[in-house]
Amino acid sequence: ETGVTQSPTHLIKTRGQQVTLRCSSQSGHNTVSWYQQALGQGPQFIFQYYREEENGRGNFPPRFSGLQFPNYSSELNVNALELDDSALYLCASSFLVNTEAFFGQGTRLTVV
Amino acid sequence: AQSVAQPEDQVNVAEGNPLTVKCTYSVSGNPYLFWYVQYPNRGLQFLLKYITGDNLVKGSYGFEAEFNKSQTSFHLKKPSALVSDSALYFCAVRPSRGSSNTGKLIFGQGTTLQVKP
Repeated sequence: ETGVTQSPTHLIKTRGQQVTLRCSSQSGHNTVSWYQQALGQGPQFIFQYYREEENGRGNFPPRFSGLQFPNYSSELNVNALELDDSALYLCASSFLVNTEAFFGQGTRLTVV
Repeated sequence: AQSVAQPEDQVNVAEGNPLTVKCTYSVSGNPYLFWYVQYPNRGLQFLLKYITGDNLVKGSYGFEAEFNKSQTSFHLKKPSALVSDSALYFCAVRPSRGSSNTGKLIFGQGTTLQVKP
């Protein structure tokens, strides 16, 4: 098991609602990345935070936003949920931007 | 465009036989290459990486991967498969320094490995 923990593990939301997903990074890691994995697909990069600053973003709309806190934990916020946002959301932490990333178990979001 | 291809949706092997899971990539420069494994309803587990140096890299659980720059491939291998190796395998590439989004991983679609007893 990695030291990356995500909460909650499962979540059901209604279209149009907002959701916050949380991630605690592995001890000593200062970089957190978020990925969306739709069913049957590979993970897609949402964004990365390094020392509390956004350090890159994938092709996701602005309603996907994030934060990183001084203890390097992170949140992913999604506003105005759409049915297509249903997916497994993965958080990964690493010591630096370019070192290997260790993933949490994911949060399964279902939008109905 | 930067991309990773895993041409096989599924690979079937008998226990004890060697296995290969294929991966090719299209990224400029000298990328970092990774393999991850995913068990049902779980996150991704890191298996191995290639940064530089010897083209054959060894990783966890007896897996290894061979980097071939001319063929832009990074195939995952194991000399003797176990039933417990059955899982979903992802190849990923991190664009090299100097590109935007140097921290992101680009993943392939995944290959399901089935090892039969």
